[in-house]
Amino acid sequence: AQSVAQPEDQVNVAEGNPLTVKCTYSVSGNPYLFWYVQYPNRGLQFLLKYITGDNLVKGSYGFEAEFNKSQTSFHLKKPSALVSDSALYFCAVRDISDQLIWGAGTKLIIKP
Amino acid sequence: EAQVTQNPRYLITVTGKKLTVTCSQNMNHEYMSWYRQDPGLGLRQIYYSMNVEVTDKGDVPEGYKVSRKEKRNFPLILESPSPNQTSLYFCASRLFGTGSNQPQHFGDGTRLSIL
Repeated sequence: AQSVAQPEDQVNVAEGNPLTVKCTYSVSGNPYLFWYVQYPNRGLQFLLKYITGDNLVKGSYGFEAEFNKSQTSFHLKKPSALVSDSALYFCAVRDISDQLIWGAGTKLIIKP
Repeated sequence: EAQVTQNPRYLITVTGKKLTVTCSQNMNHEYMSWYRQDPGLGLRQIYYSMNVEVTDKGDVPEGYKVSRKEKRNFPLILESPSPNQTSLYFCASRLFGTGSNQPQHFGDGTRLSIL
């Protein structure tokens, strides 16, 4: 079965430190990969996507993600975390049927 | 401003009382979708629509109905709500077909409590 895994329910990072939120997937073909962020009482907002090309993609708010085809991973990263980055982060993969498969989400907590 | 608008944002109601959550988008998107979000389960798709008069079941369609009479609107109907439908609901839209590499735009959510 096709799936997207975010292995950490929660990630804690000190402000100013680099952060990584992990995502791995099991989807056939060459899927499109997305990261979304959800702030409290808001809908999901698009952060970045990988379609093809350079394995390192840059997105909103200083976030970037690295696509690794051999490891079927698409980890979200940021060099220096801000308290305002604290939110719920979702990885999603669009398969050949054009449907999105979602990870369960990772709560990111940035401590001052 | 490009947006997806859901109403109401919050609703507390009782078992069996029919309710409708409206969703409207102003981006001329073909594809619209409804999700529910529950703790630990992430987002689960309820129904989706690839264009006017075209709807299909997602992963958890039981107890829900939708309609797509106009491109911009995609209401979610709970004919006889039950407590297990207490959840946070999101409507989303995006381009379809050649736009399938485009991200979805989400509404701000509707928090439903069924007593």
